Amino acid sequence: DAGVTQSPTHLIKTRGQQVTLRCSPKSGHDTVSWYQQALGQGPQFIFQYYEEEERQRGNFPDRFSGHQFPNYSSELNVNALLLGDSALYLCASSLDRRGGGGMGYTFGSGTRLTVV
Amino acid sequence: AQTVTQSQPEMSVQEAETVTLSCTYDTSESNYYLFWYKQPPSRQMILVIRQEAYKQQNATENRFSVNFQKAAKSFSLKISDSQLGDTAMYFCAFMKGRETSGSRLTFGEGTQLTVNP
Repeated sequence: DAGVTQSPTHLIKTRGQQVTLRCSPKSGHDTVSWYQQALGQGPQFIFQYYEEEERQRGNFPDRFSGHQFPNYSSELNVNALLLGDSALYLCASSLDRRGGGGMGYTFGSGTRLTVV
Repeated sequence: AQTVTQSQPEMSVQEAETVTLSCTYDTSESNYYLFWYKQPPSRQMILVIRQEAYKQQNATENRFSVNFQKAAKSFSLKISDSQLGDTAMYFCAFMKGRETSGSRLTFGEGTQLTVNP
């Protein structure tokens, strides 16, 4: 049973560029959440997608946007990259039919983004 | 807003011994969940143990157990018979219960645990 897969594993971008990160949820999961983890810190919630809609959003600027596809996979897009966007981006999936959490998440291994 | 605090940036323990990691949180919610996650160098966040706030009984998973003190808003993790493979960053996390608008995890800053042979 495949877990959460993220691509690419690493990438380097130049300040001002745009980047797209991809996530395939664990089989049977229908909700995808994205987190940003700066070096030496805990993950910070970016947003969550359920039924192809953004259901909740953390304190991130509009430069961060996302999408969920009918097969539940998801993309995270970041425009006008800043040096401060350098971080590990984690995708987490869950089964969330009741509209609430509690069962925890399954995380991917993340995408390490470096902005130079 | 919820906050999660881990006051121990680093800890070490000898193999086979017991270690306790501390976590405190602040919330006005009455229904919520608490988690401990482990993040090894592979970067994947792995769920170690989960506690439902309305359950008074402390959760246990093999060598891992928690001490959940709801009134004190404390949620510590005890690792018994520590193994070299337990070396990792450990994160305490909070989640509101039964939100209709979606759920999110709020993480602490983490505790780096090193198990020494």
